[in-house]
Amino acid sequence: NAGVTQTPKFRILKIGQSMTLQCTQDMNHNYMYWYRQDPGMGLKLIYYSVGAGITDKGEVPNGYNVSRSTTEDFPLRLELAAPSQTSVYFCASVRTGYTEAFFGQGTRLTVV
Amino acid sequence: DQQVKQNSPSLSVQEGRISILNCDYTNSMFDYFLWYKKYPAEGPTFLISISSIKDKNEDGRFTVFLNKSAKHLSLHIVPSQPGDSAVYFCAATRGSQGNLIFGKGTKLSVKP
Repeated sequence: NAGVTQTPKFRILKIGQSMTLQCTQDMNHNYMYWYRQDPGMGLKLIYYSVGAGITDKGEVPNGYNVSRSTTEDFPLRLELAAPSQTSVYFCASVRTGYTEAFFGQGTRLTVV
Repeated sequence: DQQVKQNSPSLSVQEGRISILNCDYTNSMFDYFLWYKKYPAEGPTFLISISSIKDKNEDGRFTVFLNKSAKHLSLHIVPSQPGDSAVYFCAATRGSQGNLIFGKGTKLSVKP
């Protein structure tokens, strides 16, 4: 099993550009999450989804959008990149009835 | 306002000795607590958890203690090994499928 797979691993964006961070899980987990981790800080929740077709905002959703058309995929969209979005982004999934989250390896994004 | 606090950014321990990582929380509604371990350039991996109905949970060299009255939990690693060197995040949630709230992490260095 691959678990949670994130692509790309690294990306440099110019201010105002857009991009989509991809996240796929092969564990048939209903719950999926996007977090960001800034240097010296803990992980903060951007968006989450409790199942296909259902998404909701987390603690820091501004500047991002998500969709969940399938159980496996949960892409995160940045429409107008800003330097404040420079961070490491982690996708995670959780099996229904459990609490332990499985994380991807992260995407390191730099906006210049 | 931080709901989960890890007040020690770093901890250095000699191999074979005990490592104690601390975590405090402010939200009395949290009822499930988790510890994650993170190596550089990797996603966090689940280590151990505890429900608020317990005060101790043990898994091999790792033990988590929960003091609900003090809103404090700690992770004990005995004996510490160099491979334990990583950043440890404390996380808390309300309900078994609630969103995880993370602390800022403690970087543990275990010296041979």
